[in-house]
Amino acid sequence: QKEVEQNSGPLSVPEGAIASLNCTYSDRVSQSFFWYRQYSGKSPELIMSIYSNGDKEDGRFTAQLNKASQYVSLLIRDSQPSDSATYLCAVMRSGNTGKLIFGQGTTLQVKP
Amino acid sequence: DADVTQTPRNRITKTGKRIMLECSQTKGHDRMYWYRQDPGLGLRLIYYSFDVKDINKGEISDGYSVSRQAQAKFSLSLESAIPNQTALYFCATAGKNTGELFFGEGSRLTVL
Repeated sequence: QKEVEQNSGPLSVPEGAIASLNCTYSDRVSQSFFWYRQYSGKSPELIMSIYSNGDKEDGRFTAQLNKASQYVSLLIRDSQPSDSATYLCAVMRSGNTGKLIFGQGTTLQVKP
Repeated sequence: DADVTQTPRNRITKTGKRIMLECSQTKGHDRMYWYRQDPGLGLRLIYYSFDVKDINKGEISDGYSVSRQAQAKFSLSLESAIPNQTALYFCATAGKNTGELFFGEGSRLTVL
């Protein structure tokens, strides 16, 4: 079992809809969770981080964390064609380990 | 100029050759990482380093070695390249106590 798992997609949503991206992780001691966005041919960039159970909102993006279920998600409201990219979930263990493990990524396509 | 610079950006080599990918950064970060990216597999951690004297293996270190020549420089070597090491390689940096990675533009390696 991979440490961090995502559905590779593609996930296709119409413009203006809510896109829901999901991620599960296997290591219960994981404490820090991140969402990176990667446009085709580009490097990944951080868009959200979350450390506590619950929701964290930043503009059109909401990260949700449920440590009991070992589940983290990213919601994108009012999806735009410019949101079309691969979204990578990343997990870091507790303590200052610095070891960041990524899932395989979910490709999102937002259709005009 | 980019904060995280990788060289070469593209390289084609033959099986059995020694290859070095270099990474330098101007962000002043202590932590540096090497990841490889393959279609459908996301980013997989090869090695990471917290400082010049601290090198750690990642998920897939077999067949690779690294050298942290200075705080700003972290190189990845393939002693004897094989075709299944054909991939896109990313160097990344991070400050202390953070999972925000800053990526270079990637080095595309093809092993024939």
